[in-house]
Amino acid sequence: LAKTTQPISMDSYEGQEVNITCSHNNIATNDYITWYQQFPSQGPRFIIQGYKTKVTNEVASLFIPADRKSSTLSLPRVSLSDTAVYYCLVGDGTGTASKLTFGTGTRLQVTL
Amino acid sequence: KAGVTQTPRYLIKTRGQQVTLSCSPISGHRSVSWYQQTPGQGLQFLFEYFSETQRNKGNFPGRFSGRQFSNSRSEMNVSTLELGDSALYLCASSNPGTGNRISKNIQYFGAGTRLSVL
Repeated sequence: LAKTTQPISMDSYEGQEVNITCSHNNIATNDYITWYQQFPSQGPRFIIQGYKTKVTNEVASLFIPADRKSSTLSLPRVSLSDTAVYYCLVGDGTGTASKLTFGTGTRLQVTL
Repeated sequence: KAGVTQTPRYLIKTRGQQVTLSCSPISGHRSVSWYQQTPGQGLQFLFEYFSETQRNKGNFPGRFSGRQFSNSRSEMNVSTLELGDSALYLCASSNPGTGNRISKNIQYFGAGTRLSVL
């Protein structure tokens, strides 16, 4: 599975938009990009997944440039409850290998 | 739909004992994966079961084992516990191969079992 690199931590004020960028230079053709959110002592929660261009759901947006070597998770108007660790993962979507490789993630701290 | 359920939520054991953790996947999900999370090593993949067969395994010693039943429920066993086995053990379920191309391989995690080895 392709290795990912993301910032270790980020700080934001409540109400701001937060963009977390993930680098995945050796992403393969079949790889999808998936983001998870994890609160302390809980399991990771799926946020969003994409393959190319832009994906938006009720929680976040995911921007993927044409070369797919990076992706940006965008959280609009964060609140204190968005304080969590965010993981970027890439892996092939064939469904035959559910082994996920989690990196260190980005610890987002939201304050008033 | 009920989420992934893990039992027990908390467990305290002593060195040398063995432990069994249980995971009930989301209804209809056929794949169950197990992960270990520690402050030092982060989230690490243990193994995956699909249709009662182990089809993927991480880099853990043989003391860690698992199985899956015909109803997709899974158990994980750790024998001869060591202090370093203290961790949050997470179970995730998915339904590989279904849905459209973009939604494949999304895993849904339980709240975990916090194991403390004394």
